[in-house]
Amino acid sequence: GESVGLHLPTLSVQEGDNSIINCAYSNSASDYFIWYKQESGKGPQFIIDIRSNMDKRQGQRVTVLLNKTVKHLSLQIAATQPGDSAVYFCAERNEGGKLIFGQGTELSVKP
Amino acid sequence: NAGVTQTPKFQVLKTGQSMTLQCAQDMNHNSMYWYRQDPGMGLRLIYYSASEGTTDKGEVPNGYNVSRLNKREFSLRLESAAPSQTSVYFCASRDYATNEKLFFGSGTQLSVL
Repeated sequence: GESVGLHLPTLSVQEGDNSIINCAYSNSASDYFIWYKQESGKGPQFIIDIRSNMDKRQGQRVTVLLNKTVKHLSLQIAATQPGDSAVYFCAERNEGGKLIFGQGTELSVKP
Repeated sequence: NAGVTQTPKFQVLKTGQSMTLQCAQDMNHNSMYWYRQDPGMGLRLIYYSASEGTTDKGEVPNGYNVSRLNKREFSLRLESAAPSQTSVYFCASRDYATNEKLFFGSGTQLSVL
């Protein structure tokens, strides 16, 4: 079956360092991927997305990398700030058009 | 522009009670969704409505019903609540044409005793 998983359930980084959150997916037919940030007590908030015809996409302080050969997705956050502390989810869109979510990685930023 | 609005934010029920979670979006999206979020389980799709007038089961529909009242509103009903339905519920919507990113509400924390 298809699944979206995260290599590290928790990640602790120093303020100012770069963060890398990884995600593995199993469905090679997935054509769209997305990252969400969820702060405590709030709903998931869109960060960045990427289509399968791209390898890299950059936003403000965030970059998503897609490696279709090994079915791997990563989210890079530059100069991590305390406000970046949250749970980060990746999701893939399957052939049926539904988004399948991973379990999430908790990012903790130390001042 | 409020996005996706859910009510209530918190609810405590006794086993067997019923309730309806309300959701409304003001982004003119065709598609709306209900998810539940449990520790270690990620977001699981309960029901969705691809467009006004249609509803379909998701991954975990048992014990729930939905109503797509109009284009803006999509409600989730628990007819006879069970402790296994203790969870955080999120409503979401997206543009059917692009079928890409979901916009989420702030969630309803439900406890069934």
